[in-house]
Amino acid sequence: GAVVSQHPSRVICKSGTSVKIECRSLDFQATTMFWYRQFPKQSLMLMATSNEGSKATYEQGVEKDKFLINHASLTLSTLTVTSAHPEDSSFYICSAVVPDSYEQYFGPGTRLTVT
Amino acid sequence: EDQVTQSPEALRLQEGESSSLNCSYTVSGLRGLFWYRQDPGKGPEFLFTLYSAGEEKEKERLKATLTKKESFLHITAPKPEDSATYLCAVTTNTGNQFYFGTGTSLTVIP
Repeated sequence: GAVVSQHPSRVICKSGTSVKIECRSLDFQATTMFWYRQFPKQSLMLMATSNEGSKATYEQGVEKDKFLINHASLTLSTLTVTSAHPEDSSFYICSAVVPDSYEQYFGPGTRLTVT
Repeated sequence: EDQVTQSPEALRLQEGESSSLNCSYTVSGLRGLFWYRQDPGKGPEFLFTLYSAGEEKEKERLKATLTKKESFLHITAPKPEDSATYLCAVTTNTGNQFYFGTGTSLTVIP
């Protein structure tokens, strides 16, 4: 199966700082990647759709200036949480779509803790 | 409105007790239905893709089936290591969106 990596797996930062999370498709090219947030014992919450070479599409209620998404190449998308606050603490998961099959493969997730 | 519903929300089975998880969907133009397994603190792991009614896929103790309005994930003689949350998702012909169910939390008791 296709492999998606995510880095870092865990990050602790201080309130007011910015954090960047990388998502890479390792063995395929992905024109579309997704970013999700997941709270404990809840399902995935889609934050935004990242399209290579164009602006990301954000879901309603997600602040685009706070969660900056850049899909600079067919194998890399980044999510930057700007001016992080404790309420941004969560589990962030990315995924990448394999063209033609439409199968979506997920990264292992990033646990963000803002102190 | 495109929608995906999974049932039950939670399921407890004795080891060896076979059962099925349900994923009902109402979408306009199904492109594909996907099953995932998610363990706590990890990203979902891809299990199966089903594209058309009547299609079936198998992997070890798991078997996924698809009709025009629902999919089942059958678990035969489950083991404790099958304990996880199982997610169902669909994508449609009309766009690049995926719709997820809320998942079924499966616990298999030794």
